[in-house]
Amino acid sequence: TQLLEQSPQFLSIQEGENLTVYCNSSSVFSSLQWYRQEPGEGPVLLVTVVTGGEVKKLKRLTFQFGDARKDSSLHITAAQPGDTGLYLCAGVSGGTYKYIFGTGTRLKVLA
Amino acid sequence: ETGVTQTPRHLVMGMTNKKSLKCEQHLGHNAMYWYKQSAKKPLELMFVYNFKEQTENNSVPSRFSPECPNSSHLFLHLHTLQPEDSALYLCASSPSVGTYEQYFGPGTRLTVT
Repeated sequence: TQLLEQSPQFLSIQEGENLTVYCNSSSVFSSLQWYRQEPGEGPVLLVTVVTGGEVKKLKRLTFQFGDARKDSSLHITAAQPGDTGLYLCAGVSGGTYKYIFGTGTRLKVLA
Repeated sequence: ETGVTQTPRHLVMGMTNKKSLKCEQHLGHNAMYWYKQSAKKPLELMFVYNFKEQTENNSVPSRFSPECPNSSHLFLHLHTLQPEDSALYLCASSPSVGTYEQYFGPGTRLTVT
């Protein structure tokens, strides 16, 4: 069974701090997505990474796909209260259409 | 309407009731999905439809019955549910199965009493 473990599970930080969220698996994925979900809403896609070692930046968010395509990280610089939410990673195995979702990281940024 | 819409947003039903959840996507996608999101558990894929054909049933109990009349609409018919079925039910779509991005609706918060 493919699993995506995210860490930390919960994170509460002050506005302006930096943070990193990790998404790890023993399985290889052909692509990996990061989503953010706010209370009462569905997940919203932030980014897709495809190539091992790939780094993508979205304003203050930096996403990296591991060289072996088994893990990924999300780094937020100078966090803001608007970054608060549940961050989910999801992987797609090559040749399948099954999306495996991670366990989630619940982030709270205090003003 | 844009994106993926779901109705109702909230639903309370008894264990003997029959109800249906509706999902509509306005993105021209060909694949649609039902997910279950429970507290403290990862998102669980329930059903996958590609060009109206069901391609995945992830061992979902028969009290959940999906229907996909066309590529834009997806229903989840509910019958004799259990309290442990209470969860957020999310619909998603993508251009086709296996493509990278999925677009989610806001979900239906279901409570079974």
